Amino acid sequence: NAGVTQTPKFQVLKTGQSMTLQCAQDMNHNSMYWYRQDPGMGLRLIYYSASEGTTDKGEVPNGYNVSRLNKREFSLRLESAAPSQTSVYFCASSERRGVNTEAFFGQGTRLTVV
Amino acid sequence: AQSVTQLGSHVSVSEGALVLLRCNYSSSVPPYLFWYVQYPNQGLQLLLKYTSAATLVKGINGFEAEFKKSETSFHLTKPSAHMSDAAEYFCAVYSGTASKLTFGTGTRLQVTL
Repeated sequence: NAGVTQTPKFQVLKTGQSMTLQCAQDMNHNSMYWYRQDPGMGLRLIYYSASEGTTDKGEVPNGYNVSRLNKREFSLRLESAAPSQTSVYFCASSERRGVNTEAFFGQGTRLTVV
Repeated sequence: AQSVTQLGSHVSVSEGALVLLRCNYSSSVPPYLFWYVQYPNQGLQLLLKYTSAATLVKGINGFEAEFKKSETSFHLTKPSAHMSDAAEYFCAVYSGTASKLTFGTGTRLQVTL
């Protein structure tokens, strides 16, 4: 059981380049999320998808787009990378199941924009 | 809207001392609450969760947390700190109706000899 898988683990981009971060989960969760983590700021929600076919903005959506490709996959795209997007990005998935409600995270993608 | 406030961005305790990390939440519906731990350069690992069953929740590594609705709190405790507990700890609230998982800003725990 792989859980939440993110790719790539590390990436260096030049300002203005584009890239897509991939995330897949195999737990049949309906909800998926993208967060960024910066020192002293905790995890800030970029976008989330409550269910297949829906996406919503989080706290810091500017400069990002997302696609919920199917129930398993939720990708994050940077169209024109900026140094301010240097961060660690985490994908997560969750499911409301009463006492078995759960939320799991991927291992993160460390992105540097130069 | 839901939110989480973690009081104290840095907490320092001596090895063997009580660990208390504070978390207060705001939610318009009964919440689900989580504590995660993050060791340096690693992902987030679930410590424990409250999902409306028992209000005192026990997790891994000797940690526990108590859900107090009257105080809107979900503080994390451990009776005796160990050096290996040094990490960053995050509290999170999940609103099932909004399907949104919201985090606090984290508390870095330092354990000294």
